Amino acid sequence: DTAVSQTPKYLVTQMGNDKSIKCEQNLGHDTMYWYKQDSKKFLKIMFSYNNKELIINETVPNRFSPKSPDKAHLNLHINSLELGDSAVYFCASSGQPNNSPLHFGNGTRLTVT
Amino acid sequence: GDSVTQMEGPVTLSEEAFLTINCTYTATGYPSLFWYVQYPGEGLQLLLKATKADDKGSNKGFEATYRKETTSFHLEKGSVQVSDSAVYFCALSDPMIKAAGNKLTFGGGTRVLVKP
Repeated sequence: DTAVSQTPKYLVTQMGNDKSIKCEQNLGHDTMYWYKQDSKKFLKIMFSYNNKELIINETVPNRFSPKSPDKAHLNLHINSLELGDSAVYFCASSGQPNNSPLHFGNGTRLTVT
Repeated sequence: GDSVTQMEGPVTLSEEAFLTINCTYTATGYPSLFWYVQYPGEGLQLLLKATKADDKGSNKGFEATYRKETTSFHLEKGSVQVSDSAVYFCALSDPMIKAAGNKLTFGGGTRVLVKP
């Protein structure tokens, strides 16, 4: 009964490929997020969706496209992968009120070779 | 823009030692403050939070007090255990950002290693 689950846990792929990461939450939260954690553990928000609507898009290349089929799912599709995309990607969700804590998934380690 | 600065690690301690991780912030509004912990191979977990000045968040023996005058939210634990070895992140959410949801700005993380 994992609260925020993302798949796959590990993803190794070559430059130029297209890949997707899936995320699902069973907490009934309205808001979901994607964060990127680099090799130095620095975390930066990429996207946020509220009830399937994009509300935060932080200067992320167009190669990254989030998709939210319903408020319990937020998938991340990446086109034309580059070496610099290698990182750990975390999905998260939060409920109300606006300053409620985020609940994170266990991360997807993406390695681009 | 908003920012969070925390001490760089790694911090290496012996079991039962006192732990302090400094965190200071810059925000346009009156933010809520959080500490998250990341154990190896896992996602971040909320450790504690404070939403207004002089609030003290506490959990699992950890404490942090929201100090508006010094814009700080230092994390402390009186007696650490080996199981406290992890990366600790200070974070803020700024209510001046009116978007729905909770956009967190994170510090760079501090790795803590507790030796038996």
